[in-house]
Amino acid sequence: EVHLVQSGAEVRKPGESLKISCTGSGYNFPTYWIGWVRQLPGKGLEWMGIIYPDDSETRYSPSFQGQVSISVDKSISTAYLQWSSLKASDTAMFYCVRRDYGSGGGYFEFWGQGTLVIVSS
Amino acid sequence: SSELTQDPAVSVALGQTLRVTCQGDTLRSFYASWYQQKPGQAPLLVIYAKDKRPSGIPARFSGSGSGNTASLTITGAQAEDEADYYCNSRVSSGNYVFGTGTKVTVL
Repeated sequence: EVHLVQSGAEVRKPGESLKISCTGSGYNFPTYWIGWVRQLPGKGLEWMGIIYPDDSETRYSPSFQGQVSISVDKSISTAYLQWSSLKASDTAMFYCVRRDYGSGGGYFEFWGQGTLVIVSS
Repeated sequence: SSELTQDPAVSVALGQTLRVTCQGDTLRSFYASWYQQKPGQAPLLVIYAKDKRPSGIPARFSGSGSGNTASLTITGAQAEDEADYYCNSRVSSGNYVFGTGTKVTVL
């Protein structure tokens, strides 16, 4: 059974760094792209970017390029989302997703449970 | 453009049929998938590859699409279908984009 398990909620101050994680199990982790999705409080889903664990190829949404860093350690089946200097506006729920691919594009059947990040002074 | 536009809100009487639409140029090249999100929960895939239902999704959920528009139809809406619905599609860069979201109310 496929599972994506994310790290727990975090509270940080503005300017601090943070790295959250997403660990996959029940499938061949290196061969499925892992994406990250942001949801601001009371707002919609926003696509952040995606990484291929086998070779670490990464694609960022233009809105998030330079704002976050996506990485992976395939030896422990874990993907990461990282900030070097958090802002209050980074307060949100973050989800990781596994991309499945069929004709005409990809889709996301498996989601992590979400990691709530609160940035407040 | 890599945007996907949805109506902000749609309401339907219990047992009636509702359609949620998603518009964007990328839909001319790639299929849409649809996600249901209830308060406090992670999103749930309800339709993929334009018109396919994952295992466990009721048959009242269906998908269609043509040109720059994708649609999610709920035939015989139930109270438990009240949720936010988002479309998603690939874009030419190899990334993805979500629609703006539609709040569905079942009256």
